[in-house]
Amino acid sequence: GQNIDQPTEMTATEGAIVQINCTYQTSGFNGLFWYQQHAGEAPTFLSYNVLDGLEEKGRFSSFLSRSKGYSYLLLKELQMKDSASYLCAVRDGGGNKLVFGAGTILRVKS
Amino acid sequence: GAGVSQSPSNKVTEKGKDVELRCDPISGHTALYWYRQSLGQGLEFLIYFQGNSAPDKSGLPSDRFSAERTGGSVSTLTIQRTQQEDSAVYLCASSPRVAYEQYFGPGTRLTVT
Repeated sequence: GQNIDQPTEMTATEGAIVQINCTYQTSGFNGLFWYQQHAGEAPTFLSYNVLDGLEEKGRFSSFLSRSKGYSYLLLKELQMKDSASYLCAVRDGGGNKLVFGAGTILRVKS
Repeated sequence: GAGVSQSPSNKVTEKGKDVELRCDPISGHTALYWYRQSLGQGLEFLIYFQGNSAPDKSGLPSDRFSAERTGGSVSTLTIQRTQQEDSAVYLCASSPRVAYEQYFGPGTRLTVT
């Protein structure tokens, strides 16, 4: 089976750091993606991890541990515009499609 | 350059009618995906096209759903005899090659009354 778990909602303060976790159990694994989706808009790509470790890209970083089936997205220096849904997706090694989690709604408050 | 475009942006239809949703991928992208997103839910994979290979239809929920991709570019998702549970946002994405970053279109919001 395939299962991707993320917290449903999180709230953080402007300027702070927030970590959004994602755990997965899939029949295969060939990479993990994070997407950002603002309300009413299409998802946009944030990061891709296929090897263990931390990938840093500006204020956003993503971490992967394949042995633990675990990833997190780290957002630093939060801004109000970071309020959005963050989607974790795994490329199932048995196919070419992405399996998405339900997403984490992040609310940034001033 | 132009991104992925989808039409119509909104579609309201009566239960039992057929609908066609269109996707124009980014020029040169060989992979094309269809997903649907119900309110408050994650993206649900429907179908995937890669070049001239047979499409991966493993996510289509029933035989009322079908899709085609003509000339390796434009794709149409057809839902026959629509049901209320088909109401969702249907998203199309394309990528330059398999499993690379997917670029999403703005989606078509389908409402079945």
